[in-house]
Formats: sequence, C-alpha cells, structure tokens
Amino acid sequence: EDKVVQSPLSLVVHEGDTVTLNCSYEVTNFRSLLWYKQEKKAPTFLFMLTSSGIEKKSGRLSSILDKKELFSILNITATQTGDSAVYLCAVEAGGTSYGKLTFGQGTILTVHP
Amino acid sequence: KAGVTQTPRYLIKTRGQQVTLSCSPISGHRSVSWYQQTPGQGLQFLFEYFSETQRNKGNFPGRFSGRQFSNSRSEMNVSTLELGDSALYLCASSPGRRPSLSAYEQYFGPGTRLTVT
Repeated sequence: EDKVVQSPLSLVVHEGDTVTLNCSYEVTNFRSLLWYKQEKKAPTFLFMLTSSGIEKKSGRLSSILDKKELFSILNITATQTGDSAVYLCAVEAGGTSYGKLTFGQGTILTVHP
Repeated sequence: KAGVTQTPRYLIKTRGQQVTLSCSPISGHRSVSWYQQTPGQGLQFLFEYFSETQRNKGNFPGRFSGRQFSNSRSEMNVSTLELGDSALYLCASSPGRRPSLSAYEQYFGPGTRLTVT
C-alpha cells in the first residue's frame, strides 16, 4: 500500500525564519509528488514534481525531489504570518491508479510575528 | 478561469438519511476525484471519474457512490448515514489523461462540510 510520511508534524517559528518540511514516500510505480497548502479551507496547489533533482520555485517557496532516496523537501524562506497553514504532501502512482492521491498527515506550520 | 465549485457548502443530516453532494470541475477538466477529510484519518481517496466512468475506487463501503455527467460535473452519494461520515468532502479536478506518461496536478474545490447527528 502506498504510504506518505511527513515530518515534523508541527513547527513553530518566527517571521523571517527559514523552514524545511520533509516528505518521504513509498509508492508502487511513482508518477508524481505534489505539495499543497491548506488553511481553513480546501488545499491550494503549490508544486508538482516528477523528475529527480529538479527544483521548483515560486517566490519564497521551493521544492526538490529525490527519487532515489524517496523523499522531497519544501523550503520556505523569510517566513511570514500568512505562511501559517497545514502543508500537505501527496503522491500519485502510475498504472491504473487513476486520480488517486495518497496524502501524508501534514505539517502544521505556525509563524509568529 | 473559474475554479472548482461544490454545493452545498454545509449540510446537517441525521443518521440513516442519505445525502448527495455536487462538484463542478474547472472548465475543460475531465477527471474528478473525491476525498474525505477527517481530523483522525486525514485526506482519503474515495473515487475518481473520467468521461462518465469510474476508473478508480478507494477503500470505502458501498454506501459511498458517485457518478459523472457528460459535462464532467460529478455527484457523490452517501446512503444510510452514520455518525462517522461527518467530514469535509472535497472534490478535485484535473485535465485527466488516457493511459500515458503525463502527470497532471489536481485542483481542489472548497469542500462540503457534512455533519451527521
């Protein structure tokens, strides 16, 4: 069965700090890994990674995938209070596993002013 | 481009009743996936539809069912509601794919908060 484990489960930082969120996975026939941000509403898409070693960046957020070691990291630099949210990592398997994302339990990030 | 929409946003039902939730995907998206989110279990996959066909199903009892219409709108139905069905039900749309090497991201709707009393 596909499995995604995120760490840490929660993190408290101050504005301006840099944080690294971790995601390790076990999946049969890996297709993609996705990061989402969830505030008190639906998950918002951040990144999708399919190739190892390629960094995706969007402003202060960046992510990289290591397919050999089966993990991904999400970095947030110069954190702001608006970054406070649950960050979810998910993987999609290939083959006939259509449309199914397997999610980790999430990392709760709290950024204090 | 309009995002994924879900109706209703909130729903209160009693045990034993049934409920139907609706999801309209992003225009042009043909794949709709449904998820249940609870504090204890997190986000769990229910099923996926593409071109009116259910292509994948998660580990939920038969009380959970769905369908997709020719315009890609999807509904899910839960019959004989139980207290444990209280959750946020999310749908997500993506362009979908035939069997291929391409991967597509999923975009989530705002969800329907179902409370069973």
